Amino acid sequence: TQLLEQSPQFLSIQEGENLTVYCNSSSVFSSLQWYRQEPGEGPVLLVTVVTGGEVKKLKRLTFQFGDARKDSSLHITAAQPGDTGLYLCAGHDYKLSFGAGTTVTVRA
Amino acid sequence: NAGVTQTPKFQVLKTGQSMTLQCAQDMNHNSMYWYRQDPGMGLRLIYYSASEGTTDKGEVPNGYNVSRLNKREFSLRLESAAPSQTSVYFCASGGTSSAGELFFGEGSRLTVL
Repeated sequence: TQLLEQSPQFLSIQEGENLTVYCNSSSVFSSLQWYRQEPGEGPVLLVTVVTGGEVKKLKRLTFQFGDARKDSSLHITAAQPGDTGLYLCAGHDYKLSFGAGTTVTVRA
Repeated sequence: NAGVTQTPKFQVLKTGQSMTLQCAQDMNHNSMYWYRQDPGMGLRLIYYSASEGTTDKGEVPNGYNVSRLNKREFSLRLESAAPSQTSVYFCASGGTSSAGELFFGEGSRLTVL
């Protein structure tokens, strides 16, 4: 059983559409990270959120940390083919625990 | 600008063979980690080293051993490979942030026949 549950597992959308990926847990984390992984490469850190209720924006990507620091979401506006990849959330208490990931495919 | 370097990138083994995956980082990080990634299961921690001279078990340590050779290098050894160890292995190193962000290598794809 994953400590962090990500949904959906797979997401396929057309270029220009919006999408949201969810990361949920019953545990409280001191911080939560989002990574993106492209085929044949290692995960790359996108953002870290630390404060409950925090919202961070990275160009067309918006990350939110839940008020209770148990969940997070990633929203992509006007998705582009370059956004295709595996998105992983990871919660940090005294160690880092990863969700299983959401595979996002953006079709041109 | 190497970051975390893993070798080899690909390896095919027969059941019972041994091998060592090498990892080196040039970011002066204290912490280093070995993960395995399997479809639908995310990244699972095998072993980690919080600092030079220390190593600890993660979630799935059985069948593996590690060596923290120095601050830069952290190796993962499979003494007697099994088909269940077919996976993609990632080495990572940690920064100084209290949030524990990790920097990953490109991965080593291992197939055990």
